[in-house]
Amino acid sequence: GQQLNQSPQSMFIQEGEDVSMNCTSSSIFNTWLWYKQDPGEGPVLLIALYKAGELTSNGRLTAQFGITRKDSFLNISASIPSDVGIYFCAGQYNFGNEKLTFGTGTRLTIIP
Amino acid sequence: GAVVSQHPSWVICKSGTSVKIECRSLDFQATTMFWYRQFPKQSLMLMATSNEGSKATYEQGVEKDKFLINHASLTLSTLTVTSAHPEDSSFYICSASPGRGFTEAFFGQGTRLTVV
Repeated sequence: GQQLNQSPQSMFIQEGEDVSMNCTSSSIFNTWLWYKQDPGEGPVLLIALYKAGELTSNGRLTAQFGITRKDSFLNISASIPSDVGIYFCAGQYNFGNEKLTFGTGTRLTIIP
Repeated sequence: GAVVSQHPSWVICKSGTSVKIECRSLDFQATTMFWYRQFPKQSLMLMATSNEGSKATYEQGVEKDKFLINHASLTLSTLTVTSAHPEDSSFYICSASPGRGFTEAFFGQGTRLTVV
């Protein structure tokens, strides 16, 4: 099945640093979603984007829906230990009960 | 937020046996649920779309006779891995959406299947 390309694949940062990751697709999506997955758990929704060019924040997280509808990025400011995990972007073509296409994931590790 | 529950959280079975995994939407009705499979250090790959009252729609390459999906009610979908083999060992995750303006899908906590 199709996957979205996420970069970087992994990040090793120190606590307090800012984080930036992005997601690109060869096809357009009408909704972009960002999820975080902890080990052995299902993904948890962080931010949802519904409009091209939209910039949305959720606490220390900020995400943008690319103007071409083929990309999105997620920023995390002032990282803390609980930010450790795997971040996935997901694209959805239609609203509601429409399947998601997931990105390859970015694994975030915080170095003590 | 909406809650989706999976059961069991983990299961170990012998090769050749069948295993059933349940996915329930606890506080909303879901006409559509999705089943994903995730191998270690990999992303979620959609296996099938489960539709209440009708046959599931399987993604290319997913064997419908091996992964039986039943969506008998608006709050329950089941995935049965038939004649399981070690290569079926994986993390299986379901998701559901309330629909009606809700665009976000809510995920269950996942089921770790180990076939020995």
